[in-house]
Amino acid sequence: DAGVIQSPRHEVTEMGQEVTLRCKPISGHDYLFWYRQTMMRGLELLIYFNNNVPIDDSGMPEDRFSAKMPNASFSTLKIQPSEPRDSAVYFCASSPQLSADTQYFGPGTRLTVL
Amino acid sequence: DQQVKQNSPSLSVQEGRISILNCDYTNSMFDYFLWYKKYPAEGPTFLISISSIKDKNEDGRFTVFLNKSAKHLSLHIVPSQPGDSAVYFCAASRGTYKYIFGTGTRLKVLA
Repeated sequence: DAGVIQSPRHEVTEMGQEVTLRCKPISGHDYLFWYRQTMMRGLELLIYFNNNVPIDDSGMPEDRFSAKMPNASFSTLKIQPSEPRDSAVYFCASSPQLSADTQYFGPGTRLTVL
Repeated sequence: DQQVKQNSPSLSVQEGRISILNCDYTNSMFDYFLWYKKYPAEGPTFLISISSIKDKNEDGRFTVFLNKSAKHLSLHIVPSQPGDSAVYFCAASRGTYKYIFGTGTRLKVLA
């Protein structure tokens, strides 16, 4: 298996633009997680899905952030409109069960909002 | 307010010596703790865990110690190897999935 795939790996955009981050989880994993990493706050869980259904989105910082999982092999995290403080590395992870020690992380998308 | 703190942003250790990475937490309700390792341009990978009913867990060269009274967690790597150079995150949770992560410690093992 290729592991968790994220695209793009790097994204540079201007403030106010829409940004869409993409994730393909490992086949057969029922759970998908989106995280954000910043120097000040470390890794933060934004949202997680079980069988394509969003279960806990309490970590999503604002209404500007939305996430979808239209099928078992694809998820998106959208920021609209983007702001400079959204600059961070965004990770997607998938897992066969709901526990952190079985999560497989993707390589991340480094987002820079100018 | 950071509930999980890694106060040392970086650490350098000679190859073959012990590396000790520290982590402090504030919430006494946390009952499960993890360490993740992250190489540049890669996602974090799970390293080792410990539940609050234990005070020590070993896996090869890696040992995690938990001091509940001090709300302190540490990761020992013995002996340290150059391939251990990475950023290490500690994380804590009440339950099993919603973890609070620290900001990471960058370990550099010098050959």
